[in-house]
Amino acid sequence: IQLTQSPSSLSASVGDRVTITCRASQGISSYLAWFQQKPGKAPKLLIFGASTLQSGVPSRFSGSGFGTDFTLTISSLQPEDFATYYCQQLNTYPRTFGQGTKVEIK
Amino acid sequence: QVQLQESGPGLVKPSETLSLTCTVSGASISSSYWSWIRQSPGKGLEWIGYISDSGSTNYNPSLESRVTISLDTSKNQLSLKLSSVTAADTAVYYCARFYYNSHAYWVFDFWGQGTLVTVSS
Repeated sequence: IQLTQSPSSLSASVGDRVTITCRASQGISSYLAWFQQKPGKAPKLLIFGASTLQSGVPSRFSGSGFGTDFTLTISSLQPEDFATYYCQQLNTYPRTFGQGTKVEIK
Repeated sequence: QVQLQESGPGLVKPSETLSLTCTVSGASISSSYWSWIRQSPGKGLEWIGYISDSGSTNYNPSLESRVTISLDTSKNQLSLKLSSVTAADTAVYYCARFYYNSHAYWVFDFWGQGTLVTVSS
């Protein structure tokens, strides 16, 4: 299953609302996760089941979607949120990731 | 808190076998599934495969003919072997816990810091 994220990169300011989309090449129900990755670090799980926040993740992060279209929203961008975000499908094998969306400072 | 730490050679020659170990602390290796994932500039994040608590495996078809993942329960470690490597296998290699959580979803919830492996003569 191919996952296509858009945009590939975006520039935003602190306090902005940011939305990233992930489209699956076929339906994956709600078996989608979102990760945040900072340079030199491992990916960090933010959301699983398309919309459930992993323990300890700030509530400004939210996810939605079902089937083939999903979104990750950051309601009010904070300085520590500048990073690259990846979606991952866990519906079928092999598990696959999107190509990433880099969120940069405007 | 579950912690994972990858280790192994940072440089491997073409056609040789890449061997990495992941040491797990804070959880028994026999209590969950475990996975290897790699990240290269050219291909992004790529799932390599997983091994279950009972030792059964599932590999990415793109690598299946060259990959072996195994457990050493006495050392609480998992290992990765990738044979016949080429420059295309140069990547940061991560181990991660692959866990069926209380919400009935499989998640990659704990990751090692990653180790860079370069394939070059």
